[in-house]
This record gives sequence, C-alpha cells and structure tokens, in this order.
Amino acid sequence: AQKITQTQPGMFVQEKEAVTLDCTYDTSDQSYGLFWYKQPSSGEMIFLIYQGSYDEQNATEGRYSLNFQKARKSANLVISASQLGDSAMYFCAMSLGGDTGRRALTFGSGTRLQVQP
Amino acid sequence: DVKVTQSSRYLVKRTGEKVFLECVQDMDHENMFWYRQDPGLGLRLIYFSYDVKMKEKGDIPEGYSVSREKKERFSLILESASTNQTSMYLCASSPAAGGSYEQYFGPGTRLTVT
Repeated sequence: AQKITQTQPGMFVQEKEAVTLDCTYDTSDQSYGLFWYKQPSSGEMIFLIYQGSYDEQNATEGRYSLNFQKARKSANLVISASQLGDSAMYFCAMSLGGDTGRRALTFGSGTRLQVQP
Repeated sequence: DVKVTQSSRYLVKRTGEKVFLECVQDMDHENMFWYRQDPGLGLRLIYFSYDVKMKEKGDIPEGYSVSREKKERFSLILESASTNQTSMYLCASSPAAGGSYEQYFGPGTRLTVT
C-alpha cells in the first residue's frame, strides 16, 4: 500500500531564509505523481507544485521547488525567501492510478511551518 | 477559475441523525472526492467518484455513503452520525485527463456531532 511520511510536525524559519520540508513516500508503482498543498489557518487547500514520477527535472513554481530523489523516494519541498504569509500547514501527497485518470490522493500528516519576522 | 463549493462551513448534529454534506463543482470535472481531516492524521480518503453514479471506497468508508446523480454534485451521507465522525470534511474535484490531475478543494465543512 502507498504511504506518505512527513517527519517534521512543526518547523520554524526566519523571514527571507530558505526552508526545506521533508517528504518520503512508499509505493511499488512505477507511475505516480507527487503534490504539495498549503493549508493556511483559513482552511482552504492551495495547490503548490507537482512532480511526475517520470519527470527528469525537478519541478519549480516561483519560490517553490520540489527536490525529487527517486532512488531515495523523497520529494522535499523547498521554499526560498520565506515570507510571513508562508506560515501554514503543508501537506505532501501522492497519486497512483496509471493512465486511467482516476487518481485519489494519499496524504502525509503535514508539517506546520511558522515564519518568524 | 475552478470553484468547488460545500453546502456548510460549520455544522452541528446530534448522535444518530442522518447528515448530508453537499459538494458542487463548476468545471465539468469527472472525478470528485471526499476526505476527512483530523489533527496528526492528515487527510484520509472516504469515497471518490469518477463518473455519474459511479463510486469507489477509499481508506475509511465505514459509516459513510455517497451519491452522485449529476456530474457536478457529490454528496456525502452519514447514515447515523456518531461522535467519532466529528471532523473537518473536504470535497475535491479533478479532471480525468491532461496535466497533473491536480485536485481542487472546497473550503471544508467542520462537523461536530454531539
């Protein structure tokens, strides 16, 4: 069965510094996708970034990048130049399902990031 | 912009009541999902649907059922609410083809069962 592990329940970072949120995954499938979502205190889930298992380059979206190490089964999120508005819960998630398009997500337990001024 | 709406942000029900949580999406997505979110556990999949009248069980379907009579609407039903179903419920939708299959989430319903 697939599993996502986030080992950091909480993290602190100084404003303007970079921070890495850890995520490891476990699956025997060859085709999968990895996602990061942000959940501010208001509760909505905001999609940040996606990495496909066959993508050779690490995904980047603005200040977010995904450090994908397939052999180690890790998909860490790197946030550069942290801002106060980055304070939130962050979830790593994985989808399986091949090419059917029927892709439910398996989520990790989340990491609460607090950015300090 | 994709919009996923849920019928209530907050809901308080009594033990044994039948509870309906409604979710509507406006982007013609084939897939719709119901998750529950509990502290320390992340989001767990209850049910999902990949087409009208089609449904599949997720990781924690016990005590829940779903209905999808129209493509845009996916309902979660608690047949007889219990206190251990007090939680945040999140609905999501995604397209069946193309791109990353990113899921778009609704604002959530915080359900309290007393």
